[in-house]
Amino acid sequence: DIQMTQSPSTLSASVGDRVTITCRASQDISDWLAWYQQKPGIAPKLLIYKSSRLESGVPSRFSGSGSGTEFTLTISGLQPDDFATYHCQHYSDYPWTFGQGTKVDIK
Amino acid sequence: QVQLQESGPGLVKPSETLSLTCTVSGASVTSTSYYWGWIRQAPGKGLEWIVSIYYRGNTYYNPSLKNRVTIPVDASKNQFSLKLTSVTAADTAIYYCASPMGAITYWGQGKLVTVSS
Repeated sequence: DIQMTQSPSTLSASVGDRVTITCRASQDISDWLAWYQQKPGIAPKLLIYKSSRLESGVPSRFSGSGSGTEFTLTISGLQPDDFATYHCQHYSDYPWTFGQGTKVDIK
Repeated sequence: QVQLQESGPGLVKPSETLSLTCTVSGASVTSTSYYWGWIRQAPGKGLEWIVSIYYRGNTYYNPSLKNRVTIPVDASKNQFSLKLTSVTAADTAIYYCASPMGAITYWGQGKLVTVSS
């Protein structure tokens, strides 16, 4: 199985900050990577697919980049609604696996 | 707009079978445009993909669960299900049905299932 490792596990930030979350794959997954936002008690919401493509309706302050084994999710100008947990997921081959999540909380 | 809703018992005894149903609206479970599947999240943990099915094609399983999982589809009710046998406390989780087309756009709201005697 391909292992997905996110860093950091927790990130403290302030409104307006630029935030970057990293996801590393244990082997080459090309650009078959998605990012999700999850708030407590709610199902994950797709933000980014195919590493850098913004899902319809997602604010443009969210962006993704990377290919191969290293990927980043960037939030440019953190908003109060963005305090949440973020997950990466590869879908290059079965079994699909997720990172352990990165919690973005208020500094 | 595809909508998914999980239903089923919230408490299952150890060694028994966990059974959940997902009712789909806005799309047909027989459609060739969608996959259907299940993902779970243990309390305070990350997400774990369980299984995906393409109605007229293959079923894909997480190897760690393959021997215990089935995903029946009931086209007459536009539903698909999850059956997980021989459950233990480690199977306690929120179970999400979803349309896993690689990246997962459509999710159910989730159903907490606790395994306890």
